[in-house]
Amino acid sequence: QSALTQPASVSGSPGQSITISCTGTSSDIGTYTLVSWYQHHPGKAPRLLIYEVIKRPSGVSNRFSGSKSGNTASLTISGLQAEDEADYFCCSYAGSSNYVFGTGTTVTVL
Amino acid sequence: QVQLQESGPGLVKPSQTLSLTCTVSGGSVSSDNYYWSWIRQPAGKGMEWIGRIYSRGTTTYSPSLKNRVSISLDKAKNQFSLKLNSVTAADTAVYYCARGFGSAAIEYFDFWGQGTLVPVSS
Repeated sequence: QSALTQPASVSGSPGQSITISCTGTSSDIGTYTLVSWYQHHPGKAPRLLIYEVIKRPSGVSNRFSGSKSGNTASLTISGLQAEDEADYFCCSYAGSSNYVFGTGTTVTVL
Repeated sequence: QVQLQESGPGLVKPSQTLSLTCTVSGGSVSSDNYYWSWIRQPAGKGMEWIGRIYSRGTTTYSPSLKNRVSISLDKAKNQFSLKLNSVTAADTAVYYCARGFGSAAIEYFDFWGQGTLVPVSS
């Protein structure tokens, strides 16, 4: 099972919106809605941002939103803030009780 | 608030067995609808799912690792553990334990440990 493909880095100025893509195949993202997104500050525990493609857990800012089209899922961060500078990665169910993660994206706030 | 903490040896020699334990607080490993999972991240690479154990003891492993890995549950200590045998340098990674939520499949990982670096070196 190959990793999901994400851009290595994305940057934006405070207040702007950025979108991180997560491209898989018809065996994972293309078939299942069990796509989740995580924020990870190095050295800390990853934090769940989005689950089931578009849902936000309680306590997660509505500046974070998710979507999916075909084999690609996306995470959009609106109103970019300095605290959003972190690594982000996606995850998808891949069938047969298997899970695949994205390659990870580093977000830089300029 | 659920918290998970990984613990284990800081260094493993090639061909030996890597053993890690995850201690859970603020929640019970006996609860239904939770899958206690191990995930790793080699330096400069993305996360890789290793496997999971359900509260009733059912395990599922990554196809690429299933011949070398086992995950067990200790309900009395509220812990779950990972054993990966015949390790090589390619198994050097930060290892995370996480709680997965779902009914038939893990829908998401809602709580994670901070991770522990396990180098494999002689």
